[in-house]
Amino acid sequence: EAQVTQNPRYLITVTGKKLTVTCSQNMNHEYMSWYRQDPGLGLRQIYYSMNVEVTDKGDVPEGYKVSRKEKRNFPLILESPSPNQTSLYFCASSRFGTSTDTQYFGPGTRLTVL
Amino acid sequence: AQKITQTQPGMFVQEKEAVTLDCTYDTSDPSYGLFWYKQPSSGEMIFLIYQGSYDQQNATEGRYSLNFQKARKSANLVISASQLGDSAMYFCAMREEVAGSYQLTFGKGTKLSVIP
Repeated sequence: EAQVTQNPRYLITVTGKKLTVTCSQNMNHEYMSWYRQDPGLGLRQIYYSMNVEVTDKGDVPEGYKVSRKEKRNFPLILESPSPNQTSLYFCASSRFGTSTDTQYFGPGTRLTVL
Repeated sequence: AQKITQTQPGMFVQEKEAVTLDCTYDTSDPSYGLFWYKQPSSGEMIFLIYQGSYDQQNATEGRYSLNFQKARKSANLVISASQLGDSAMYFCAMREEVAGSYQLTFGKGTKLSVIP
């Protein structure tokens, strides 16, 4: 089944404790992206990657890191999480990074930082 | 100015009836994609339908159709024969090239409630 997977689905952590949210897609997509969704602010892009070893900042990159060492994986790293990073996080992928390519989303990761 | 405007924060529809969810967009780029996503209460973001800016015909996917009026810059989602499982948030989104990035820009969403 073609899909984007994220792990963990739910995470409660404490301020300052480094964490990684994994994202993997099995569709051989070149483009991958991370979004966060917050009430009243909608979905905002954190980072994106046009291909392996190519990453770039989205609208809200502060406090996050990403890497794209393999085509299928695009982990999101929070080196020192803070409470304002409590959010619903989505990983998404599309075949290419063009305006006409559909982005498919993972199931989401609900992160709470205490 | 907002790039994607969804003017209906919430809507109700009777089961088996059709419903239209409104979406207008703003862009000066001739090449763009318009998308609708469904987000049930469980939280996942499910792709429903896509319309390209150069597509001559309105997109359809099963019970979903997109009423694309390019001159008005509108891309309304029509759900026919509503089902209880259609109760969810619906997001209109546009993908265009901005400074080399092709991110999706989402509207604020419409909460659809299907009444038995």
